[in-house]
Amino acid sequence: DGGITQSPKYLFRKEGQNVTLSCEQNLNHDAMYWYRQDPGQGLRLIYYSQIVNDFQKGDIAEGYSVSREKKESFPLTVTSAQKNPTAFYLCASSTSPGQGGNEQFFGPGTRLTVL
Amino acid sequence: AQTVTQSQPEMSVQEAETVTLSCTYDTSESDYYLFWYKQPPSRQMILVIRQEAYKQQNATENRFSVNFQKAAKSFSLKISDSQLGDAAMYFCAYRSAWGGSNYKLTFGKGTLLTVNP
Repeated sequence: DGGITQSPKYLFRKEGQNVTLSCEQNLNHDAMYWYRQDPGQGLRLIYYSQIVNDFQKGDIAEGYSVSREKKESFPLTVTSAQKNPTAFYLCASSTSPGQGGNEQFFGPGTRLTVL
Repeated sequence: AQTVTQSQPEMSVQEAETVTLSCTYDTSESDYYLFWYKQPPSRQMILVIRQEAYKQQNATENRFSVNFQKAAKSFSLKISDSQLGDAAMYFCAYRSAWGGSNYKLTFGKGTLLTVNP
């Protein structure tokens, strides 16, 4: 079955620690995205990648880092510099808009809690 | 920058009735895409319907339809014959069709829909 997987489903972090959230897709999509969702808020874009070895900052990139070494994978690291990391994190992917794609498919999400 | 506004934080509807969720957006662009996503309690984001701005015809997907008013920058979602499974948070989203920002989805804050039996 094609889709997007995120792991873990729940993640707990102590203050001062870096943590990495996993996102894998087998849809053969070029573009991948990370969003953050807070209560009462819509989704806000953290980072996106149009193609392997390339990524761009979104609206709230401070305190986060990403890599895109493989087409299938787009891990997100929440660093200790992120002041308020407790949130629900969603990964998404799509075909390149230049190829006519415009729908983003989402993973099931990771709930990160800082203790 | 584009903004998306959903003015109804919560809505409720009786099962089998019809409900309309509102969405307005602000943009200076002429070509773009609009989406409605559904997020049930599982928190999985599911695409409900999409509309290309260059198409005048309103999109329809089974019980879901939109009223797209480009001049008014309005994009409402109508759910007909509401079912218990329609209960969810609904998000309106905008995406530019051109330029370096055309990868980005801008979301509204959502409308929580309750369906009463």
